[in-house]
Amino acid sequence: EAQVTQNPRYLITVTGKKLTVTCSQNMNHEYMSWYRQDPGLGLRQIYYSMNVEVTDKGDVPEGYKVSRKEKRNFPLILESPSPNQTSLYFCASSSLFGSTNEKLFFGSGTQLSVL
Amino acid sequence: QKEVEQNSGPLSVPEGAIASLNCTYSDRGSQSFFWYRQYSGKSPELIMSIYSNGDKEDGRFTAQLNKASQYVSLLIRDSQPSDSATYLCAVKRNFGNEKLTFGTGTRLTIIP
Repeated sequence: EAQVTQNPRYLITVTGKKLTVTCSQNMNHEYMSWYRQDPGLGLRQIYYSMNVEVTDKGDVPEGYKVSRKEKRNFPLILESPSPNQTSLYFCASSSLFGSTNEKLFFGSGTQLSVL
Repeated sequence: QKEVEQNSGPLSVPEGAIASLNCTYSDRGSQSFFWYRQYSGKSPELIMSIYSNGDKEDGRFTAQLNKASQYVSLLIRDSQPSDSATYLCAVKRNFGNEKLTFGTGTRLTIIP
């Protein structure tokens, strides 16, 4: 089944404790992206990647890191999480970005709470 | 001014009526426009994309684009209770800028 898999689904952590949210897609998509969703602010892009070893900042990259060493994986790293990073995070991928058939496939989301 | 603006709602529409969702955007260089639907507690899913001025129909859904007015809308005909969700408008510039910007979404409730 074609899908984007995020883990974990829920995560509670404390301020300053490094964490990684994993994202993997099995559709051989070039484009992958991370978003955070907050009430009243909608979906905001954190980072995106056009292909392996190619990443770029979105609208809210501060406090986050990403890497794209393999096509299928795009982990989101919070080196020193803070309470303002408490949010619902979505990973997404697309194989046809830039074409008229482009479509983002989203993972199930990761609800992160930083205490 | 927000890059992509939507009325947050909630928008209540009787079952069987037409639901009209609106979105305005600020970047005149925008080339691609999308409507995503998000059920409560779920991830967004694409329902329509539109790239040229005018209307695009897909079943009960019609997307309308007016680049001169920087306006994109989504009409849902014969609204069903299963259409109750938050609808997200998204806009992309293309041509070397792959940043996709979402609006905050409009919550739609279909009343049986």
